[in-house]
Parts: sequence; structure tokens; C-alpha cells
Amino acid sequence: EAGVVQSPRYKIIEKKQPVAFWCNPISGHNTLYWYLQNLGQGPELLIRYENEEAVDDSQLPKDRFSAERLKGVDSTLKIQPAELGDSAVYLCASSLEGYEQFFGPGTRLTVL
Amino acid sequence: KQEVTQIPAALSVPEGENLVLNCSFTDSAIYNLQWFRQDPGKGLTSLLLIQSSQREQTSGRLNASLDKSSGRSTLYIAASQPGDSATYLCAVSKAGGSYIPTFGRGTSLIVHP
Repeated sequence: EAGVVQSPRYKIIEKKQPVAFWCNPISGHNTLYWYLQNLGQGPELLIRYENEEAVDDSQLPKDRFSAERLKGVDSTLKIQPAELGDSAVYLCASSLEGYEQFFGPGTRLTVL
Repeated sequence: KQEVTQIPAALSVPEGENLVLNCSFTDSAIYNLQWFRQDPGKGLTSLLLIQSSQREQTSGRLNASLDKSSGRSTLYIAASQPGDSATYLCAVSKAGGSYIPTFGRGTSLIVHP
């Protein structure tokens, strides 16, 4: 069975440019998470979906970040415009309800 | 607000040693606690999940215990190997159905031959 798939794995952009990350969760997992991880830190939750509904997005900077999970399967996280401080690893995870989480490989974003 | 602390922050040991990694949390109203390992430049790999009603879980050379009343969990690694070198993170999910996980900063482990 395939794990959580994320693309791209790496992205380098200039500041003020838009960027989008894609995540496909494990089949059957209704809960999807987007995290941000800075170097030397644990992941921090940005947004959590139950099916297609965003049930917790209090940590998502809504002025520049947006996310969607159409049809309750795959999800896209967008930043527009990107800032230097957005450089980090963006991780996607999925679970069945709130049970064990499984993570994708992450997207490493560098903003120049 | 839940705070998760992992001690030590870094650990370097010779191969074969038995290890204990610690994770403490401030709010005992948890749903579950999960231990992960993260290799450099990679995502997180789930190691063990302990539900709030459980006291411990075991997988191979790994054993994780949970003491909710004291707000602590320990990950025990038996007979450490160089392949165990990674960062180990614990994540605590809040009770009440929101499943919001809070991560510690991790313990960076190096096992040298």
C-alpha cells in the first residue's frame, strides 16, 4: 500500500512569488494534516481536515496561506506571496480519525 | 496550552548500549501519544502509538511507556545499533475529539560503532 505522497520534494522560489504543495493521503484516511517544520524544531500544525472540512486552522496565516481538500482526498497548500521566513519543510500526514499518523516525505521550501 | 519537552536534546552512545529517551507533557488530558523517528531530510516514521488507556507498547527492540498522571513517556531502545541514529520525536494529541497533536523538539541520537 502506498504511503502519503507529497510533491514537489524541493522548491526554490524568489520572495513574493506564489508556491503550491500537493499531498495525497493514504487511501481511506479521512483526516489530513499540514505541518510546518523549521530546522531543529518539531512539526507545528497548520491545518487539519476531517474529510473535506477544515476543522482546525487556527495556526494557518490566512493572509498569505490557503489550503483546500476537494472531495476529501488529496489536498493543496498554497502560499501567496512567499516571504523569506516561509523557508521550511512542509509536511503532510494522514490518519484514520485521530488514530496513528503517517507522514509523507515533506517539501523543502527555500525562499530567496 | 500543551507543552511537550524532550530530554536529552542530543545523545551520542557506543553501539550496544540500552537507551532511554524522555518526553514530558504539561496537560494530562491526552488522547494518545506517538513516538516517531526522523532521518535527516526525510519525513517522520511512526514507531509506536500509545492510547491514553494504555501503559506501554512494544515493537522489536523498542518499548514505550506512558504515565499520564505524571505527564511522562519514555522510549526505551535496547541494544542500540548505528542504524538507530536519527532524531526521535514524541507527539501528544489532546483529548476531546480534536486530535490536535503537539510535538516536542526531539532527541538527536547518534550511535557510533
